[in-house]
Amino acid sequence: QVQLVESGGGVVQPGGSLRLSCAASGFTFSSYGMHWVRQAPGKGLEWLAFIRYDGNDKYYADSVKGRFTISRDNSKNMLNLQLSSLRAEDTAVYYCAKDFLEGLIKGWFDPWGQGTLVTVSS
Amino acid sequence: SYELTQPLSVSVALGQTARITCGGNNIVSKNVHWYQQKPGQAPVLVIYRDSDRPSGIPERFSGSNSGNTATLTISRAQAGDEGDYYCQVWDTTTALFGGGTKLTVL
Repeated sequence: QVQLVESGGGVVQPGGSLRLSCAASGFTFSSYGMHWVRQAPGKGLEWLAFIRYDGNDKYYADSVKGRFTISRDNSKNMLNLQLSSLRAEDTAVYYCAKDFLEGLIKGWFDPWGQGTLVTVSS
Repeated sequence: SYELTQPLSVSVALGQTARITCGGNNIVSKNVHWYQQKPGQAPVLVIYRDSDRPSGIPERFSGSNSGNTATLTISRAQAGDEGDYYCQVWDTTTALFGGGTKLTVL
């Protein structure tokens, strides 16, 4: 079955950096676009970034553009999100999610990983 | 920028029909997707492209989209349907979520 497992979360100081990873299994990873979505404590969902199946196209939310970088390694079935210049408001659970159908972006997410918590605090 | 508006909360009696709305300017021109999130869990897709159900989602879940409002309908509501529900659209190069609706089954 399709499985997405995030890792790399933790506590980081304001201004610091962190690298999140998402290990994918159960599907042909190299055929699907992938997304990152986050959820601040007690808040709603916020989409962050998308990367095309081949890594050649990337989109970002304005709130993280220039600070976060999405990447993928299709040889390792791995999705990454590099977080930099972190702020307190970046504190959230970070989810990776698979684009619904293979190929070009469809823009909805299924399934989601279980999430990894990032806490930005001094 | 485009915005999606959801009611903060909806209550429904056990076994009755719940309707959760998602408002947006001419939302009928967009594909609307819905997610269910239970406490401490990741979101789950329950409706995509306005009214399609992923495999494994009960037929009690249905969706519609007209004018400026998309609606998620949950028939014969069960206690296990309680949780937060989010609508979502893809707008050019960005995904947008509604603020979420907390469904309570009485």
